[in-house]
Amino acid sequence: DTAVSQTPKYLVTQMGNDKSIKCEQNLGHDTMYWYKQDSKKFLKIMFSYNNKELIINETVPNRFSPKSPDKAHLNLHINSLELGDSAVYFCASSQDSSGGANEQFFGPGTRLTVL
Amino acid sequence: AQSVTQPDIHITVSEGASLELRCNYSYGATPYLFWYVQSPGQGLQLLLKYFSGDTLVQGIKGFEAEFKRSQSSFNLRKPSVHWSDAAEYFCAVGARSNDYKLSFGAGTTVTVRA
Repeated sequence: DTAVSQTPKYLVTQMGNDKSIKCEQNLGHDTMYWYKQDSKKFLKIMFSYNNKELIINETVPNRFSPKSPDKAHLNLHINSLELGDSAVYFCASSQDSSGGANEQFFGPGTRLTVL
Repeated sequence: AQSVTQPDIHITVSEGASLELRCNYSYGATPYLFWYVQSPGQGLQLLLKYFSGDTLVQGIKGFEAEFKRSQSSFNLRKPSVHWSDAAEYFCAVGARSNDYKLSFGAGTTVTVRA
């Protein structure tokens, strides 16, 4: 069974489009995260939700909007896609909001390419 | 705010040889330290972590890391690498004072030659 799953695995789209990436975890964790990994493999946290509540919101354009319908799901919606949004997006989860103290489990990533 | 430096961008090692990956962190108090591995096309997997106590920690896949406060380092080691260890390795630091957010280093690419 996949612990943290993301769909789609690959996403190719045109500039200006709106797209969503979905994430689901079956670990029973309370906290979920979105990370962006750029072309140089640098990983940076974007958002974190604990029990459907936003707890970390880094400096991210407001074109990016996370949504957590329940604590097992954290989706990422991106409006008006730009070339610079091309990256690999990772979803992760941890047992609670002390994510720095508990292991974060990562999904396989979604490679977004904006043309 | 905490930060992490991985000085080596790319390391090539022969199969069976030992491996050491360097990680230096910047943080005033005792941090939470992690090493993650990312195989090609995959997500990140935790190798080991340090919170407190014994400064030498054992992880999965035969890896270990040693926390040295005086050097602000958390270097990862493996005595004998296997071809399957070829991957990207990330050191990360978290801190209670920073809402436990993880800050990742830039990563070290490990190539294993036969």
